[in-house]
Order: sequence, then C-alpha cells, then structure tokens
Amino acid sequence: GEDVEQSLFLSVREGDSSVINCTYTDSSSTYLYWYKQEPGAGLQLLTYIFSNMDMKQDQRLTVLLNKKDKHLSLRIADTQTGDSAIYFCAEEGFYGGSQGNLIFGKGTKLSVKP
Amino acid sequence: GAVVSQHPSWVICKSGTSVKIECRSLDFQATTMFWYRQFPKQSLMLMATSNEGSKATYEQGVEKDKFLINHASLTLSTLTVTSAHPEDSSFYICSARAGGLTEPQDTQYFGPGTRLTVL
Repeated sequence: GEDVEQSLFLSVREGDSSVINCTYTDSSSTYLYWYKQEPGAGLQLLTYIFSNMDMKQDQRLTVLLNKKDKHLSLRIADTQTGDSAIYFCAEEGFYGGSQGNLIFGKGTKLSVKP
Repeated sequence: GAVVSQHPSWVICKSGTSVKIECRSLDFQATTMFWYRQFPKQSLMLMATSNEGSKATYEQGVEKDKFLINHASLTLSTLTVTSAHPEDSSFYICSARAGGLTEPQDTQYFGPGTRLTVL
C-alpha cells in the first residue's frame, strides 16, 4: 500500500531556515505536493514538484526531490512566525479509491520562536 | 488561485439528526471533488471521490448510507451526514480538482473545512 511519512514536530528560531522532510512509497506518483494548514483552517497549496525534477524554488520555498530514495523535502528560508503551521506532504494515490486522490502524511508541526 | 468554499464553517447538532455540508468551486468548474475527514492531530483521510453526474466512489470502511454525497453540478458537491452520532464529530474538508485551469491538472484546491460537533 501507499504510505507517506513525516516527522511530527520541528522547532526553529525566527530567521533560521526550516527543513521539513517526507518519505513516500509510490514511485509512480507524477506530482508531489506540499500543503500548509493553519489552526482551524483548511489546506493551502504551497508548492508542488513534478516527479522528473530534482529541485524547485519559489521565493522562500525550495523543494528537493530524491526519487531514488523517495525522499521529498521542503526548505523555508528566513522562517517567520507566520510560517508556524502544520505542513503536509502528499503524493498521488492510484489504489483503493479513485485515481488522482492524494495520500497525505500526518503533517509536521512547525513552531517558530521569536 | 482557484477558490473553494464550504458551508457551514461549523455546525453543532443533536445526536440522530442529519447535517448537510456544501462544497463549492467559486471560479472554476470541478468535475471531481473529494471529501476528507480529519481527526484532531491526525492527517486527512479520504472518504470519497465525487464525480459530477455519477455516483460517488467511497473509500474502504466509509459507510455510503451514512455519508451521502451528491455532486449535482460542476461547482457544487454536498456531503450529508445522516443520523449523526458523537463519533462523527470531526473536521470535514472538501477539495476540488481544477483540471486544465492550472499546471498540474490534478492539483486539488481545498475548502476551509467544516467542524461538525454532535452532542
């Protein structure tokens, strides 16, 4: 079956870089996603990466993909207190339900200390 | 980006009553919408996939007679929790697939969620 694993907590100081890691199992996923969830809110798409890319940069966000190791990471440069949230890694699922549904990790809670 | 709304944002109901949650894509047509459930400090679990004009596809373990899904139009899907019980209390989030509007085509945009509390 498919599984997405993430560490549950990360604490950094304001201004430092944050790196959130994720491992996945389905090598056939075309896209991998990072979503952000603020307390009591829905999910906001942060960024995504196509599976044939190694890296994608979008302002303060850098996504690295190691397809061989099935490892995905999200780096947030110059982390701010407003970045405090839960970050979910997600891959596409092709089993069990409909094609194209997302399989989420449990989320990494990022705490940014001033 | 694409906007998805949900209504209501929160609801409290008595055990045994039914509750309807709406999910709308505001500025795009969504042939596919997904319903997720999130327990406290847990990830999102897909409940069902809703395709416009056809029956929803439910994930294993989700009771289709309890969680009724109707995808009546390209911009609206509803989830009705029938005969709700306290264990149905949860955060329900819908998403809509933009399909063709953005890259990648199967990017899902999420609604803000509905918190259901059953007393």
